[in-house]
Amino acid sequence: DIQMTQSPSSLSASVGDRVTITCRASQGIRNDLGWYQQKPGKAPKRLIYAASSLQSGVPSRFSGSGSGTEFTLTISSLQPEDFATYYCLQYNNYLTFGQGTRLEIK
Amino acid sequence: EVQLVESGGGLVQPGGSLRLSCTASGFTFSNYWMNWVRQAPGKGLEWVGKINQDGSKKYYVDSVKGRFTISRDNARNSLYLQMNNLRAEDTAVYYCVTVLEGWWGQGTLVTVSS
Repeated sequence: DIQMTQSPSSLSASVGDRVTITCRASQGIRNDLGWYQQKPGKAPKRLIYAASSLQSGVPSRFSGSGSGTEFTLTISSLQPEDFATYYCLQYNNYLTFGQGTRLEIK
Repeated sequence: EVQLVESGGGLVQPGGSLRLSCTASGFTFSNYWMNWVRQAPGKGLEWVGKINQDGSKKYYVDSVKGRFTISRDNARNSLYLQMNNLRAEDTAVYYCVTVLEGWWGQGTLVTVSS
């Protein structure tokens, strides 16, 4: 089974900050990775697919990069509505989620 | 507009059974692999299982093998999750999901408790 290690588990930041979240796969997954944002009581919303492709309608301050085993989600300038929990998801072999990153207001 | 609507959740005793449904609209349901994903209260996301387009291939996470069964009815645009021998640790919101397209339902809550 493929394991996904996501870091950090939590992060405090301010509006306007640049933040980066990382996921590492236990084996190569090509670019079969997505990033999701989840707010309390809501279903996850996909931000990025195929590691670096921006989902339609998602602001361009969100970007993804990586291939193989190392992936990053970057938010270039945090907005108030970005404070949420973020998950990576590998879909190369079955599905595995990262543990999540809770992004909080500093 | 794509919609996935789950139903069938509720309170069930340990050892009991429940059948979840997911009704799809706005896309050609029979063309897509479908997944069930769950989230225990206050916890992260966990993949439960998936089924291919014609229902001939099914895969499950180890913790539900032998207890849960995924099926589908393409004529009814519906996905199902039959859950037997339920345990407290199965308590979660259950979502139906298409992974490659990133479509999720709103979820249905299953609570296993005496």
